[in-house]
Amino acid sequence: DVQLVDSGGDRVQPGGSLRLSCAASGFLFSAYSMSWVREVPGRGLQWLASITGDGDTKKYADSVRGRFIISRDNAKESLHLHMDRLREDDTAVYYCARVPMYWEGLFDVWGQGTLVSVSP
Amino acid sequence: DIQLTQSPSFLSASVGDRVTIACRASQDITTYLAWYQQKPGKAPKLLIYGASNLDGGVPLRFSGSGSGTKFTLTISSLQPEDFATYYCQHIHGFPPFTFGPGTKVDV
Repeated sequence: DVQLVDSGGDRVQPGGSLRLSCAASGFLFSAYSMSWVREVPGRGLQWLASITGDGDTKKYADSVRGRFIISRDNAKESLHLHMDRLREDDTAVYYCARVPMYWEGLFDVWGQGTLVSVSP
Repeated sequence: DIQLTQSPSFLSASVGDRVTIACRASQDITTYLAWYQQKPGKAPKLLIYGASNLDGGVPLRFSGSGSGTKFTLTISSLQPEDFATYYCQHIHGFPPFTFGPGTKVDV
């Protein structure tokens, strides 16, 4: 079965750092672009970042550019999001998602989500 | 950036009802629109892409239409498992790939 499993969420203080991971299985991971999307309490869904299958091209939302880095390890079939200078408004459930071929911003498979809580 | 609005934000319905949710884009996005369903504590689930194409396994009571700036998601006969929040999303072209604010379908 096609599956994504998110991990790494935690409670962290403002200004801190965190690294999220997403383990993929059941499909040819290197053939797909991947993304991170977060669900902010009371504010809905927000696309954060995307990375192509070869890892060469990365795109970011303005709200996280310069603070978050998306990366992937195709040999280990894993996706990562390194988050620096975390703010209280980064508190959210973070999902990794697969991008089907030919669509840049569509998400057809999602992880179960991992909770990041930023508070003093 | 492209902005998406949805109406209504909350919809009270009963099993068997025909339900229609609207999504409007701030500029022409042709048919680069998707619809997702999300239940509490769960990840979103893709329902429709390209404005009107049903994702695999999605029941035929769901349908999407529209192009340009006006789009619609219709559930022809609401089932108990359809009570959820629905989001539209801009899915191609230049990022950010924004989501609408959501429509909660409840009893």
